[in-house]
This record gives sequence, C-alpha cells and structure tokens, in this order.
Amino acid sequence: DAGVIQSPRHEVTEMGQEVTLRCKPISGHNSLFWYRQTMMRGLELLIYFNNNVPIDDSGMPEDRFSAKMPNASFSTLKIQPSEPRDSAVYFCATEGGAVNTEAFFGQGTRLTVV
Amino acid sequence: GEDVEQSLFLSVREGDSSVINCTYTDSSSTYLYWYKQEPGAGLQLLTYIFSNMDMKQDQRLTVLLNKKDKHLSLRIADTQTGDSAIYFCAEVRATGKLIFGQGTTLQVKP
Repeated sequence: DAGVIQSPRHEVTEMGQEVTLRCKPISGHNSLFWYRQTMMRGLELLIYFNNNVPIDDSGMPEDRFSAKMPNASFSTLKIQPSEPRDSAVYFCATEGGAVNTEAFFGQGTRLTVV
Repeated sequence: GEDVEQSLFLSVREGDSSVINCTYTDSSSTYLYWYKQEPGAGLQLLTYIFSNMDMKQDQRLTVLLNKKDKHLSLRIADTQTGDSAIYFCAEVRATGKLIFGQGTTLQVKP
C-alpha cells in the first residue's frame, strides 16, 4: 500500500478562491481525520469520519470549511472562500479502527492563501 | 481543560537524555501515544502505552505514565542529532477522537 495519499502537496491561491484538498486513505482503514498545523496553534483536529460518516466536526473553524467522504477511498476538505489566515499545512490521517491502531499520516498539503 | 499540553521546546546536548512531558485530559483514554514529525513530513508513531501500564521501555525510549495526574513523559536515552524533530503526545478519547498536543521541538546540539 502506498500509504495515505494527499493532493496537492502545495497549493497557492488568492484570497476568495475555493480550495479543495484531497485524501486517499489506506485501503481498509475506516477512520479518517483531517488536521491543520500552524506554528501558533500546533496540530488541530478539524473533523473525523468513521465508516464514511462524520462523527465530530467541532474543530471546523467556520462555515467556510466543509469536508466530505463520499466513499471509503476518498475524502475532501474544501475552503470557500479562502482567506490568508487559512494558510497552514493540512494533514489527513487514517487508522484501522481497532482499539490500538496506529494512525498513519499523509505528507500534508501546504496551503498558502495570498 | 480540553487541551493536551506539552512544553514547546527542549534543547539537549548529544549523548544526554531528553525528557519530554505531556498532560492529557481524558482519564478514560485507553492508549496514549508519542508521534515524531521530521521536517516537511507527516507524523509517525514512535511508541505508545496502554493505560494500565506505568512504564514501557523500547530500546532508547522510556514512556512513563502517571494516570492519577494524567501525566505522560517520553525519555530518550543517549540522544542523537537524528532525534531532532517535533514530538507529539496524543490521546484517543472515548468518542474515538484522536487529539494531539501542540508538539515539543527537540533540538540536539553536537
């Protein structure tokens, strides 16, 4: 397995534009997490899914952020409209769902909103 | 509080021991984790401890757990320059939420 695959690796966009970040989980993993990492706030959990269902989205900062998991192989995190303060590295992580299962992280998407 | 807390920065000399501390929040967390992040990469699991254990040793790594105080520590013996990274502690809450601390940057000086 190639691991958790995120795309794009880097995204530079203008304020006001829509941004879509993508994640392909490891096959068979049934939990998927979206995190945002910044110097100021560290690693924040935005939302997580179990069996494609959003379980907790309390970390999503605003209505501008939305996440979907239409099937077990794919998830998206969308920001519309984007703002400069959304600049961060966004990580997707997945795990197999057993009691003690390692969470595997993607390489992250570095988003810069100018 | 709601947060998993860690000190932000630790600097040690090569060959010394490093101790990174963490306080977590959910007393029902079954497992507690230490992850390592190298520059430009995602996080990777370093080690973990089950909540009914006080200590776990894995080569140069020793994890200590004080469940009463909700305190977790990671000791790295004979710290090497290759250990320089950001170290995150994490807890899995009863709902399945995987929550990380803000990370401790370990700087190892030659």
